Amino acid sequence: QSVLTQPPSVSGAPGQRVTISCTGSNSNIGAGYDVHWYQHLPGTAPKLLINGNNNRPSGVTDRFSGSKSGTSASLAITGLQAEDEADYYCQSYDRSLSGSWVFGGGTRLTVL
Amino acid sequence: QVQLQESGPGLVTPSETLSLTCAVSGGSISTYYWSWIRQSPGKGLEWIGYIYYSGSTKYSPSLKSRVTMSLDTSNNQFSLKLTSVTAADTAVYYCARLIYGSTGFFDYWGQGTLVTVSP
Repeated sequence: QSVLTQPPSVSGAPGQRVTISCTGSNSNIGAGYDVHWYQHLPGTAPKLLINGNNNRPSGVTDRFSGSKSGTSASLAITGLQAEDEADYYCQSYDRSLSGSWVFGGGTRLTVL
Repeated sequence: QVQLQESGPGLVTPSETLSLTCAVSGGSISTYYWSWIRQSPGKGLEWIGYIYYSGSTKYSPSLKSRVTMSLDTSNNQFSLKLTSVTAADTAVYYCARLIYGSTGFFDYWGQGTLVTVSP
C-alpha cells in the first residue's frame, strides 16, 4: 500500500484532457512538501515530467501541467496523444519515520 | 546527457545477499546524491535509500537494517547490497540521481533490472 494514493487507471480519447490525482496526508503533501510526477513506459527508464508541483523540465511538452492544494496534487494532460499511454507516478517527501521519499501506486493512462 | 545502467544477478537465493551496481555515464557521480528505488510486481515504487558523493547515506526505515550502499568514484559507479533477501524482495530495481532539497526528486533513472528471489 503506497503512502500517496492514485487512481489505478484513467482513460481518454485523443485530443481530450485527463487529470490524475495524488492524495497524501499532513506528513507529506499537506506538510508543504513539493510533488513531482514521472511517466513510465514498462521496460524503459522513468522520465521526470513535473518537479516542484508545476515545473516542467526542459524538453517536456506544455501539454503536461501540475498543481497542488492541501494534501493533494494533480497532473493534467491536455490534447491526449497515443504516445501518452503510460504509467504515471507522483512522488513527494514524508517526514514521518525519520523521513523518506514516497511514491504513489501509479496510474495507467489508456488512450482510447 | 546523464545515463545510468544497472547490472547484477537476475536471480538470488533466499537468505542470500542481493548485490547491484549502477554505472553512471555522461557526468561525474561527485557532487550529487544517488538513489536506489524498486518496484515489486504489481506494486508501486519504493525508495530504498541514497548515497552522497561524500559517502554519507540515508536508508528507508523499513529496509535500513538490511541495506548498504557504497560508491566507487574511480569507476563512476555506486552499489547496493541487500542482505537476507526473501521473495518479498523480488522487484525491478532502479538507480536514479536524486536532486536533493526540501523535497527531492529524481531527474535521471536507469532502465531497471529485474531481480528474482527464488531457490
